[in-house]
Amino acid sequence: KNQVEQSPQSLIILEGKNCTLQCNYTVSPFSNLRWYKQDTGRGPVSLTIMTFSENTKSNGRYTATLDADTKQSSLHITASQLSDSASYICVVTLNTNAGKSTFGDGTTLTVKP
Amino acid sequence: DSGVTQTPKHLITATGQRVTLRCSPRSGDLSVYWYQQSLDQGLQFLIQYYNGEERAKGNILERFSAQQFPDLHSELNLSSLELGDSALYFCASSPTSGYADTQYFGPGTRLTVL
Repeated sequence: KNQVEQSPQSLIILEGKNCTLQCNYTVSPFSNLRWYKQDTGRGPVSLTIMTFSENTKSNGRYTATLDADTKQSSLHITASQLSDSASYICVVTLNTNAGKSTFGDGTTLTVKP
Repeated sequence: DSGVTQTPKHLITATGQRVTLRCSPRSGDLSVYWYQQSLDQGLQFLIQYYNGEERAKGNILERFSAQQFPDLHSELNLSSLELGDSALYFCASSPTSGYADTQYFGPGTRLTVL
């Protein structure tokens, strides 16, 4: 069964600190991996998209890494802000069809002042 | 604001009923995706349409159906509703059906089945 596992389930950090979220997947054949940020009750917002051949992608204070050999990805957030408090979701898409994606359960990040 | 609009924002209905959720994609986007997000299952892909044609199907129940119209807006029809259908339903759009397209999500429709 294709799965996407995220850890930790939740995380609390102080404003200004860095953190790293993990995503392990077994989805195959792999097309791309995305990280989304979802504020409570709102639609997800795309942070990064990485294809099989990419191993890092940045978007401001967000940097995603991908190791396709070990099927692991991480999302690193630097200099966290209160507005970073949200759920971060890892999504892996099959290369047979753009629409077929498997979502992780997300990591809930809380940034405290 | 992603440019994707969904109506209605909230919907409360009873078991056994049928509802229609509507989605207007971003201007120029040809693909529309529907997702369900419930408390116990997270986000799940339901179905994708590209330029009016069904492109991919995920975990969509037989009681659910969707279509994309010539003006590219899409509707998700949910029938014989059950309590377990209560969830947030998101629509997303992207320019093409390309694997690496960014998908832009709408604000969602919150469905409550009583």
